[in-house]
Amino acid sequence: DQQVKQNSPSLSVQEGRISILNCDYTNSMFDYFLWYKKYPAEGPTFLISISSIKDKNEDGRFTVFLNKSAKHLSLHIVPSQPGDSAVYFCAANTNAGKSTFGDGTTLTVKP
Amino acid sequence: DSGVTQTPKHLITATGQRVTLRCSPRSGDLSVYWYQQSLDQGLQFLIQYYNGEERAKGNILERFSAQQFPDLHSELNLSSLELGDSALYFCASSPQQGTSTDTQYFGPGTRLTVL
Repeated sequence: DQQVKQNSPSLSVQEGRISILNCDYTNSMFDYFLWYKKYPAEGPTFLISISSIKDKNEDGRFTVFLNKSAKHLSLHIVPSQPGDSAVYFCAANTNAGKSTFGDGTTLTVKP
Repeated sequence: DSGVTQTPKHLITATGQRVTLRCSPRSGDLSVYWYQQSLDQGLQFLIQYYNGEERAKGNILERFSAQQFPDLHSELNLSSLELGDSALYFCASSPQQGTSTDTQYFGPGTRLTVL
């Protein structure tokens, strides 16, 4: 039973365009959501997060949207840059602090 | 650099053997988490320690065990190794005991290859 799903294993976009990465979850106990970015041969690094009481959080080129009724969140990157090419993990936290990660989406931004 | 260190970076061993992976959290962080990432899969949560005590357990096999020492570094022990244990093992740390808003800081990982 995979509680956090990233249904697109990969995504390719052109530099300057918008990248949209999606994540679905099933557990209603999740109340905080995070996106992590991972480059090859490195550990994941925190990118942006959102509380379940909000529906949008923005940080520079990165915006996360949360649709609680649909149990869906998305990460928008605009404009996309070649340096954004990485694996992006969606994670969901319970109030006990346990994180459940999705399988990741590999984003490739073409120059 | 997240401030979390893991040793060794690579480990190659044979089936049936036992290995120990080591993690030093960021300065001041009290929680340590261990994750396993098998090929092309997500991060599977194994176990969390907070200030020396086990706080949460995920899908950790009985052949695996962990502990957190008084200086807050942690070790993950993997025994009776099988081919399927080959994976990247990540350690992460966070300042508190694990609340919703905790951000975890990951180390670079240890790549374990079981032959």
